[in-house]
Amino acid sequence: KQEVTQIPAALSVPEGENLVLNCSFTDSAIYNLQWFRQDPGKGLTSLLLIQSSQREQTSGRLNASLDKSSGRSTLYIAASQPGDSATYLCAVRRGNQFYFGTGTSLTVIP
Amino acid sequence: NAGVTQTPKFRVLKTGQSMTLLCAQDMNHEYMYWYRQDPGMGLRLIHYSVGEGTTAKGEVPDGYNVSRLKKQNFLLGLESAAPSQTSVYFCASSNGAFTGELFFGEGSRLTVL
Repeated sequence: KQEVTQIPAALSVPEGENLVLNCSFTDSAIYNLQWFRQDPGKGLTSLLLIQSSQREQTSGRLNASLDKSSGRSTLYIAASQPGDSATYLCAVRRGNQFYFGTGTSLTVIP
Repeated sequence: NAGVTQTPKFRVLKTGQSMTLLCAQDMNHEYMYWYRQDPGMGLRLIHYSVGEGTTAKGEVPDGYNVSRLKKQNFLLGLESAAPSQTSVYFCASSNGAFTGELFFGEGSRLTVL
């Protein structure tokens, strides 16, 4: 069974700092990997989608990379802002199934 | 830009009562999913559907039933609610291509007393 791990579970950084969130998965036979943001009491908002054939995707200050062979993905956030404070989850897709990590709770301190 | 809509957003039930959560998507997606999210447990798949008229069990299906009579709707039913079903329920949908993106609703917070 696919296992998805996100470390650390929580992260606190000062505003303006660049940071990296990690996601690892045990089975490299995935179709894609998706990063989500979840604000308290809200649903999951898709941030970036990386297909298995791609190495990275960028959206604004966000950059996600994928290394299928090593079972790892990173989400890079540049120049962090207090508004980036949220929980970030990654999910890998295989067939019609999605496997989620438990998320990293990010706090950006003004 | 409705996307995935869940109703109701909040509900309080007494043990033994029944209820239905409705999920509607306007993206013509083939696949639809019901998850529950509990502190420390992450997202767990309850049931899913790969097309109109089809349903399948996920990781934690006990105590729940589902129906997909129309492509755009996916209903989650609790026949006899238990306190252990207190949770936040999320519906999600994706297109039929295995490269497709997953979209979530805003969630339904259910409390069973």
